[in-house]
Amino acid sequence: KAGVTQTPRYLIKTRGQQVTLSCSPISGHRSVSWYQQTPGQGLQFLFEYFSETQRNKGNFPGRFSGRQFSNSRSEMNVSTLELGDSALYLCASSTGTGQLEAFFGQGTRLTVV
Amino acid sequence: GENVEQHPSTLSVQEGDSAVIKCTYSDSASNYFPWYKQELGKRPQLIIDIRSNVGEKKDQRIAVTLNKTAKHFSLHITETQPEDSAVYFCAASKGGGYNKLIFGAGTRLAVHP
Repeated sequence: KAGVTQTPRYLIKTRGQQVTLSCSPISGHRSVSWYQQTPGQGLQFLFEYFSETQRNKGNFPGRFSGRQFSNSRSEMNVSTLELGDSALYLCASSTGTGQLEAFFGQGTRLTVV
Repeated sequence: GENVEQHPSTLSVQEGDSAVIKCTYSDSASNYFPWYKQELGKRPQLIIDIRSNVGEKKDQRIAVTLNKTAKHFSLHITETQPEDSAVYFCAASKGGGYNKLIFGAGTRLAVHP
């Protein structure tokens, strides 16, 4: 059974640009959550998508958005990039119904210059 | 608000010793408490979890305890080995299938041979 796959693994962008990250969950999992990991702030919840709907949202500005497709793959988008957006972005896959375990992808390392 | 405090931030032990990491959560509605291990450059990996209807859970050298009244939960690692060296994160969730984890700041564990 394939694990959680995130693409790309690394990205370098310039301030003001936008970026799209992708996450393919474990087969059969319908929930995808996104997290930002930085040395200073740790692991912070961005949002969760379940069955193509945003079900939970963290305290991030509107520049951070996401969506989920009918095959449960999810994308997150960050517009008007700032230097402070440099981080490891992780997604976590879960069934979203009852079973609580969440499994992480290997992450996308975003560097904003 | 939702908050999880984790202590200590760093922990250094000799091989064979025990290690204990403690977390406190603020939201009394939390009912699922996973622990993740993250090695350098790798994804967080679920190592053990506990639900609010259980006071203790063991898996070989790892155990987790939960005190709902005090809103405390702890990770215990016995007979530590150098390969246990990593950053450990506790987290809390309201469950119900929701894939939203509130993480502690992490504990960097170093096991010295």
